[in-house]
Amino acid sequence: KQEVTQIPAALSVPEGENLVLNCSFTDSAIYNLQWFRQDPGKGLTSLLLIQSSQREQTSGRLNASLDKSSGRSTLYIAASQPGDSATYLCAVNDMRFGAGTRLTVKP
Amino acid sequence: DGGITQSPKYLFRKEGQNVTLSCEQNLNHDAMYWYRQDPGQGLRLIYYSQIVNDFQKGDIAEGYSVSREKKESFPLTVTSAQKNPTAFYLCATSQRGGGLKSSYNSPLHFGNGTRLTVT
Repeated sequence: KQEVTQIPAALSVPEGENLVLNCSFTDSAIYNLQWFRQDPGKGLTSLLLIQSSQREQTSGRLNASLDKSSGRSTLYIAASQPGDSATYLCAVNDMRFGAGTRLTVKP
Repeated sequence: DGGITQSPKYLFRKEGQNVTLSCEQNLNHDAMYWYRQDPGQGLRLIYYSQIVNDFQKGDIAEGYSVSREKKESFPLTVTSAQKNPTAFYLCATSQRGGGLKSSYNSPLHFGNGTRLTVT
């Protein structure tokens, strides 16, 4: 059974810092991996989707990479802002989610 | 304005009662999903449907039931058989059903959730 892990569970950084969030999965037979943002008490917002055949996707200050052979994906956030504060979740094949990383960006 | 509507936002029920959570979409998406989220945990898949009149169990389907009579609607019933029903329930859609090649680049879209409390 596919297991998805996100470490760390929480991260606090000063504004302007570049940061990396990690997502690990146990079964490399995936067809996509998605990164989401969740604000408190809200649903999830899709940030980036990487198909199995792709290595990375970029949107604005966000860059997500995928390495199936090592079972890892990273979400890179450049020049972090207080508005980036939220919980970030990754999901494999629409069905397996990590527990998320709670990010706080301090002004 | 296209989107996914989950209602109500908060729901309170007594133990032993069945309760139905509503999920309506006007995105014209084929696939719909129900997830459950508990504090500090990721989402767990309850049921999903790739097409009208068809649905499959997810990882934690016991104590839940669904129907998909219309493309726009995918209601979830939490039955009295569900041992720990208190949770945040999220409905999602995608343009194509999971597991299909055409769905590989179809992101999930989420509603704002229903918080169910059973006492």
